[in-house]
Amino acid sequence: EIVLTQSPATLSLSPGERATLSCRASQSVSSYLAWYQQKPGQAPRLLIYDASNRASGIPARFSGSGSGTDFTLTISSLEPEDFAIYYCQQRINRLSFGGGTKVEIK
Amino acid sequence: EVQLVQSGAEMKKPGESLKISCKASGYSFTSYWIGWVRQMPGKGLEWMGIIYPGDSDTRYSPSFLGQVIISADKSISTAYLQWSSLKASDTGMYYCARGPYYYDSGPSFDFWGQGTPVTVSS
Repeated sequence: EIVLTQSPATLSLSPGERATLSCRASQSVSSYLAWYQQKPGQAPRLLIYDASNRASGIPARFSGSGSGTDFTLTISSLEPEDFAIYYCQQRINRLSFGGGTKVEIK
Repeated sequence: EVQLVQSGAEMKKPGESLKISCKASGYSFTSYWIGWVRQMPGKGLEWMGIIYPGDSDTRYSPSFLGQVIISADKSISTAYLQWSSLKASDTGMYYCARGPYYYDSGPSFDFWGQGTPVTVSS
């Protein structure tokens, strides 16, 4: 089973700042990695699929990069609605999710 | 418009059985995976399994194999998640989600249901 490790567990930032979230896989997942955003009381929402492709309707401030075992989700300038929990997910070998990174207001 | 509408909240006792549903609309039900994801209170997302309604190909996470059964009824575009004997540790929110078919790998999930909360308590 492929284990995804997300870091940091919590990121404390102010609106307007840049957020950089990391997801590391225990073995290569090629580019088969997605990122999701989840707000309290809501279902997750797909942000990025296949490492760097924005899902439909996702603002351009969200970008993804990486391949193999190391991936990054970048939010270029945090908006108030971006404070949430972010999960990565691989799909190359069965499926699995990372433990999540909470982006909170500093 | 793609929609996944899940059945309502459930409160059950340990040992009872349960089947929850996920009704799809707005797309070809047989051409996409449906996945089930658990979220225990205050915790992260856990993949449980996926089903491809087109041919009923079903794959389970090792953590959930033998614990639940995933099925689908193409005639009514509905997927199901069922337990034969619930435990208190099955308490959580259960999401269904749609994922595109890839010949060489599993899906990511582009549309999600609203979630079904399940509480198991004596």
